[in-house]
Amino acid sequence: DGGITQSPKYLFRKEGQNVTLSCEQNLNHDAMYWYRQDPGQGLRLIYYSQIVNDFQKGDIAEGYSVSREKKESFPLTVTSAQKNPTAFYLCASSVRVTLNTEAFFGQGTRLTVV
Amino acid sequence: GENVEQHPSTLSVQEGDSAVIKCTYSDSASNYFPWYKQELGKGPQLIIDIRSNVGEKKDQRIAVTLNKTAKHFSLHITETQPEDSAVYFCAASSDTGRRALTFGSGTRLQVQP
Repeated sequence: DGGITQSPKYLFRKEGQNVTLSCEQNLNHDAMYWYRQDPGQGLRLIYYSQIVNDFQKGDIAEGYSVSREKKESFPLTVTSAQKNPTAFYLCASSVRVTLNTEAFFGQGTRLTVV
Repeated sequence: GENVEQHPSTLSVQEGDSAVIKCTYSDSASNYFPWYKQELGKGPQLIIDIRSNVGEKKDQRIAVTLNKTAKHFSLHITETQPEDSAVYFCAASSDTGRRALTFGSGTRLQVQP
C-alpha cells in the first residue's frame, strides 16, 4: 500500500536529549513537510523540502533540524534547543510543488518530554 | 506571509442539520484551498479542495465556496451524521513563494445523535 509512515507513534524524551522522528513515503512525491500540532491550535510548519538535498525553514524552525538525502525519507531531529518540544508531529508529502496539490499526511508521532 | 483565520473553534449541531465553517486568508496570491478532517490521534485527511478559478465545488454532502474578492472560503456539510464529528481544518497556499500549506486553527464539530 502506498502512503506515509511515521515512526514511532509515541516517543518519550528526557530533557536535554536530541531525538529523531522518522518519516518515509512510497508515493514518489517530490515535496515533503513537517508540521507541529499543539492542543487547540492548527498545524504549524517546521520545515519543508521541495527536492532531494534541499530544504527550507518554516514558521517555527528554531530547535529543529532536518535532512533530505533520499526522495522517500525526511527525518526530523528535535534538539535540546527546542524549549517546548512536547507536541504531536505530522509529516506530509505532495506530488510536486510547481502546482499545488493535495498533501497526504502520516499518522503522526506524539512526543512527550519527561 | 499567509495568515488563515478559522471560525468557529467549536460547533455542535443536531444530526441531520447543516454545519458551516468559515475561513479568511490574507495573501491575495493564494490559489489553493483544501479542507482536512482529523479524527482523534490520527493525521488529517483531505475531504475537499478548491482552486481560485472556481467559486464553488460540491461532493455529495460536502461543499466549499470561495470568495476571492473578500478572501474568504467556507465549508458546508449538509445532513450531518455522527461520523462527521471530528476536527476540521482549512488551509491555503500559492503556486509562488513558499508553496506550503498554511492552516487555520481548526473547528471541533460535534454532531449530536
